[in-house]
Formats: sequence, structure tokens, C-alpha cells
Amino acid sequence: GAGVSQSPSNKVTEKGKDVELRCDPISGHTALYWYRQSLGQGLEFLIYFQGNSAPDKSGLPSDRFSAERTGGSVSTLTIQRTQQEDSAVYLCASSLKLLAGGDTQYFGPGTRLTVL
Amino acid sequence: DQQVKQNSPSLSVQEGRISILNCDYTNSMFDYFLWYKKYPAEGPTFLISISSIKDKNEDGRFTVFLNKSAKHLSLHIVPSQPGDSAVYFCAASGNAGNMLTFGGGTRLMVKP
Repeated sequence: GAGVSQSPSNKVTEKGKDVELRCDPISGHTALYWYRQSLGQGLEFLIYFQGNSAPDKSGLPSDRFSAERTGGSVSTLTIQRTQQEDSAVYLCASSLKLLAGGDTQYFGPGTRLTVL
Repeated sequence: DQQVKQNSPSLSVQEGRISILNCDYTNSMFDYFLWYKKYPAEGPTFLISISSIKDKNEDGRFTVFLNKSAKHLSLHIVPSQPGDSAVYFCAASGNAGNMLTFGGGTRLMVKP
């Protein structure tokens, strides 16, 4: 089956503009995660969805960042009034979210965002 | 305050030899650990995982060892192949939690 897909693969925008990043999880995966990797940094957790609800938004760096998930599938991450420090690779992952035991997250290829 | 650390930013080994990548963690609530491999311009690819109830998990050329008392895990790749050259991340989660906490990565170079 298909893996996690993300679009666009690359996005260049001007400071102050809004951007939307899209994630299509693996079919049947109920959990969806957003991370980002800034240049020279590790992977940083942003937000987690279980179904359509987001019980953990603790990683969102500011109120300019928001995300939604509809139909328990596709998710969009929106960044308003982009700043240069938002430049990073934004990674989406999905998992089965087993009730017990470990939960393996599978990642998409990422969206490279560059804010000029 | 890094809860997961990979202290070696890079490692170079000869083809056919063993590669050992190390990871340390500080949060005793972590109960599930994973290793991912990442090539440039790609997302991380899941390699192998281990639950805290085990101390070893093996999958082909990859073995992960967990030492809970030392809060240390390692990934062994044997024999190493040039195609293994990539950045390796260890990650941890806990309490049936949601987010993965990642180490900073180790760049492995396998020389032919």
C-alpha cells in the first residue's frame, strides 16, 4: 500500500504570506503527527491527531501555527504570516496507535519550506 | 534539556565491519524506542524498535540493544554496507504517549 504522502514537496514564500501544507496518512492509520526539522536541528514535535481531534498541540511554536484533520484522514498544517525562522522541513507521520505496546510512526517525505 | 542524545555526530566504518550507533536518554518514563534512517531530501525510514520489556531485538543485519539501568540503547549493523550510509536517529516515546522525542542524529559513512 501507499505510504505517507505530503504536498507540496517544496514551497518558497515571502515573509508575511500564509502557507498550507498537506499530509495524506497511510490508509487505516488513526494517528497523525506533524514534526519539523530546522537547518542543523533535530526533529521537533508540533502536533498530534487521534482521529479528527488534536489532544496534543504542545509543540506548536506560536499561534501563527494551526492544523486540522478532516474525515480522519488528510491533515493540513497552516502557517500564517510566515517568518524566516519558519523555514524548515515539515514532516508528517502516521501510526495505527495501538492501545497497548509500542507505536511505530511512519514518515512522509516532508515539505521543504523556505521563507524569503 | 535534551531528553534523547546521540553524542557522536558522525561515524565512519569499513564495508563488512560492524557499525555501532549509540543513544542515551534521561526520561525514565520512556518505554518504547525506535531507530530511523534518513537520506537527504527524504523522510525518516523506520528501521527497528524495542520495547522496554526487552533488552534486545534483532532484524536481519540490524540489532538494537537496550540497557535500562544505564538509560542507553545502541544499534548494531553487521555487516555494514555502503548503502547504509545515512543519518541515523534514535527516538523514544513513553506512557503510551504520542510524540516521539528524537536524538540529534549520527551520520554513518560506510566506506567500500
